[in-house]
Amino acid sequence: DAGITQSPRHKVTETGTPVTLRCHQTENHRYMYWYRQDPGHGLRLIHYSYGVKDTDKGEVSDGYSVSRSKTEDFLLTLESATSSQTSVYFCAISVRTSGNNEQFFGPGTRLTVL
Amino acid sequence: AQSVAQPEDQVNVAEGNPLTVKCTYSVSGNPYLFWYVQYPNRGLQFLLKYITGDNLVKGSYGFEAEFNKSQTSFHLKKPSALVSDSALYFCAATLYSGAGSYQLTFGKGTKLSVIP
Repeated sequence: DAGITQSPRHKVTETGTPVTLRCHQTENHRYMYWYRQDPGHGLRLIHYSYGVKDTDKGEVSDGYSVSRSKTEDFLLTLESATSSQTSVYFCAISVRTSGNNEQFFGPGTRLTVL
Repeated sequence: AQSVAQPEDQVNVAEGNPLTVKCTYSVSGNPYLFWYVQYPNRGLQFLLKYITGDNLVKGSYGFEAEFNKSQTSFHLKKPSALVSDSALYFCAATLYSGAGSYQLTFGKGTKLSVIP
C-alpha cells in the first residue's frame, strides 16, 4: 500500500459526534487525497492537499474539513457526523506532480454513523 | 464537465475466456486514463495507464487496455480470465485542479466475476 496507513480501520459512531480519520505516509510525498467510496458512486474526492497547510476542496467537501500540519499526516474531520457520511474512506498519495502519475491508495477506513 | 462512465455494473465471464470491461470518458483536451482494481476489503491498486503514444497499453497481471480517441473509450481487456481476476474494476481520468495538483474522476466501477 505504498507506505500509507489509515487509522482507525473501522469506526462506529453516533449522529452528531465529531470524528477524525488519520492518513499517514512514510515516503514524504507532497500530494495527498481523501476519497469516499459508496456503492453506485465509485470514489469521490472530498479534499486534497498539495503541501503542509495547503489544502483544497474536492467534489463532495460539505460536512468535512481537513488539516495537514506535517508532510506525513493528513487528517479528515467530520465536525458533526451524519448518517449520510456512513462510507468507506480512502486516503491516497501522488508520487509526482504531473497528471499522468497514478495515485496510490491506503487500505481504507469503514465508518458507520448510527 | 469531465466524466467517466462504466456502462456495466457487472461482467461475468468463464475462466479461460477473454474478458472486456468497458469505459468511456468525456474529458477536455488530451486525457490521462487509468484502470484500478479493488479486491474485497482492500484499497485500490493501479493496473495501467494511458498517457500518449501507442493505443494499446499493457499493465499488471496480464491486463491491457485499448485507447480509442474517436469512440472516447478505454476498455480493459485480458486474453484469458482467471478466477483470481474476480474483483471490482474502476476506470479513471485526470483533471488539472490547480497548484500543480490533479484530480482523478472515477467511474462507478464494474464488478467482474470469473466463473470456474
